[in-house]
Amino acid sequence: DQQVKQNSPSLSVQEGRISILNCDYTNSMFDYFLWYKKYPAEGPTFLISISSIKDKNEDGRFTVFLNKSAKHLSLHIVPSQPGDSAVYFCAASPPGSGNTGKLIFGQGTTLQVKP
Amino acid sequence: DTEVTQTPKHLVMGMTNKKSLKCEQHMGHRAMYWYKQKAKKPPELMFVYSYEKLSINESVPSRFSPECPNSSLLNLHLHALQPEDSALYLCASSQEGGGGGDQPQHFGDGTRLSIL
Repeated sequence: DQQVKQNSPSLSVQEGRISILNCDYTNSMFDYFLWYKKYPAEGPTFLISISSIKDKNEDGRFTVFLNKSAKHLSLHIVPSQPGDSAVYFCAASPPGSGNTGKLIFGQGTTLQVKP
Repeated sequence: DTEVTQTPKHLVMGMTNKKSLKCEQHMGHRAMYWYKQKAKKPPELMFVYSYEKLSINESVPSRFSPECPNSSLLNLHLHALQPEDSALYLCASSQEGGGGGDQPQHFGDGTRLSIL
């Protein structure tokens, strides 16, 4: 039973345009949502997060939007750069995990930004 | 440059061997994690240590044995592994055991493990 889903395995975007990566979840009690980026042969790198009590968080070119009624979040990258090409994982922090650090990851979306 | 260092980067071992994976962080984090990642899959949590005590064991087989000698070090001892255990093993750390948005987990680059 996948609690965090990324339904698009891959996305291709032209340099300079907007990249939108989507994530759906089933548990309305998740506390936090996080996005990680992963290059080949490297570990995941934390990008940005959002608390379940907010609907938007912005950090430079990265913005995460949370729609709690739809149980959906998205990561917007504007403008997209070739160096953004990587696998992006959505992750959620289950309720009661505040002291344990448990994260549930989606399957990942491979983003390719073409020059 | 990653602030969580994992050694070795690659490991090939037979099913009867005993080996250890090592992880080190010097960020003063008090929670450390082991994950397993298969190709084209998300990381799967194996163990969580909080303040050097094991707080989560995700029903991992006993052929994987974690150890946290101090707040900066985390080991994963391997014995009698199976070919299906071949994967990327990732270590992570966070300030406390939260790992949520206010205390995100920082990952190492992993150890690529192959079982012959």
